[in-house]
Amino acid sequence: EIVLTQTPLSSPVTLGQSASISCRSSQSLVHADGNTYMSWLHQRPGQPPRVLIEGISNRLSGVPDRFSGSGAGTDFTLRITRVEPEDVGVYFCMQGTQFPWSFGQGTKVEIK
Amino acid sequence: QVQLVESGGGVVQPGGSLRLSCEVSGFGFGGYGMSWVRQGPGKGLDWLTMISPDGSAKHFKDSLKGRFRISRDNFRNTHFLQMDTLNADDTAMYFCATQGRGFLEFWGQGVQVTVSS
Repeated sequence: EIVLTQTPLSSPVTLGQSASISCRSSQSLVHADGNTYMSWLHQRPGQPPRVLIEGISNRLSGVPDRFSGSGAGTDFTLRITRVEPEDVGVYFCMQGTQFPWSFGQGTKVEIK
Repeated sequence: QVQLVESGGGVVQPGGSLRLSCEVSGFGFGGYGMSWVRQGPGKGLDWLTMISPDGSAKHFKDSLKGRFRISRDNFRNTHFLQMDTLNADDTAMYFCATQGRGFLEFWGQGVQVTVSS
């Protein structure tokens, strides 16, 4: 089973500044088909998660370009630039390369 | 507009069973895999199981140890999670979600399951 470790677990950030979240996998997330199935989700309190990025760096429709994903192999990063109030919540990385799929522990982003 | 609506949650005694349903609308249900994810109180997300579009392939979180079963009815645009021998650790909000290529695209609002005597 693949374990995803996120850092930091908490990220206080000033409005308008940037935040970065790291996700490290216990093994390579490169699938046999050559793709890497790393995605990032955002969850606000009392709401279901919403996927922001899939395939390491592909933003879903309607996701602002302030959100970007990068990385390869076992190390991945979500970057949020120009943080806005609606960006608060918990961010999760998720791997869909190997069953069972798995999530990171989550990173709480809050405004300083 | 894609909508997923979970139902079937509630309070159940330890050792009991529940069957959750997830009805999907506004979406080509029969062409997509479906997953269940749960979230314990104040906890992170926990992927449980998936079923392929035609129901022929299923995968489970190792620790479920055969207690959970997943199925689908493509004529009713619904899939199901049968949960047996429930214990306190199964208390959580349960979400269903549609699968894109290696990610979970659309999510329901969730249904609460509480295991308590």
